[in-house]
Amino acid sequence: EAGVTQSPTHLIKTRGQQATLRCSPISGHTSVYWYQQALGLGLQFLLWYDEGEERNRGNFPPRFSGRQFPNYSSELNVNALELEDSALYLCASSARQGRAETQYFGPGTRLTVL
Amino acid sequence: GEDVEQSLFLSVREGDSSVINCTYTDSSSTYLYWYKQEPGAGLQLLTYIFSNMDMKQDQRLTVLLNKKDKHLSLRIADTQTGDSAIYFCAENNFNKFYFGSGTKLNVKP
Repeated sequence: EAGVTQSPTHLIKTRGQQATLRCSPISGHTSVYWYQQALGLGLQFLLWYDEGEERNRGNFPPRFSGRQFPNYSSELNVNALELEDSALYLCASSARQGRAETQYFGPGTRLTVL
Repeated sequence: GEDVEQSLFLSVREGDSSVINCTYTDSSSTYLYWYKQEPGAGLQLLTYIFSNMDMKQDQRLTVLLNKKDKHLSLRIADTQTGDSAIYFCAENNFNKFYFGSGTKLNVKP
């Protein structure tokens, strides 16, 4: 079974540009979560999509947005990039194991803003 | 549910046991998780425990949960150099996941 995939692996942008990151969940998973992991820090929750709808978002400005497509893949868009947006962006899809909602992570997209 | 705390570093010798600790604040969290992150990689789920359990054992891993103190620990028996990584605890509160900042485990040969 294929795991969560993310593309691109690395992305280099300049300040003010827009970045688009993509995520494909594990087959059968309908929920996708996005996290930001800045260097040396833990995971900061960005967005949660389920069944095509945004269910929750973390404490990030509106220039962080996204969507989930009918095939449950997802896109994260970051507009007006700032230097501090440089981070590893992780996507996770979730499924129920027994009663636990469990997340499975992709390898991440490393975004560098120059 | 947003304050999940872990110590930043732990150093052990190969063959010893490692104990990584975590405290959380939301008593209504239903599940608690341990993830492992190796350099340049995403997070790998190691194990999870339901909040009404005290302990869960899975091969070399033992998870202990003290719900009264909101304290979670992960014990790795016979720690190997391949266990060197960052370990994250996380809590799930009605599909809102909160992660600690991670404990970097260094295993010395």
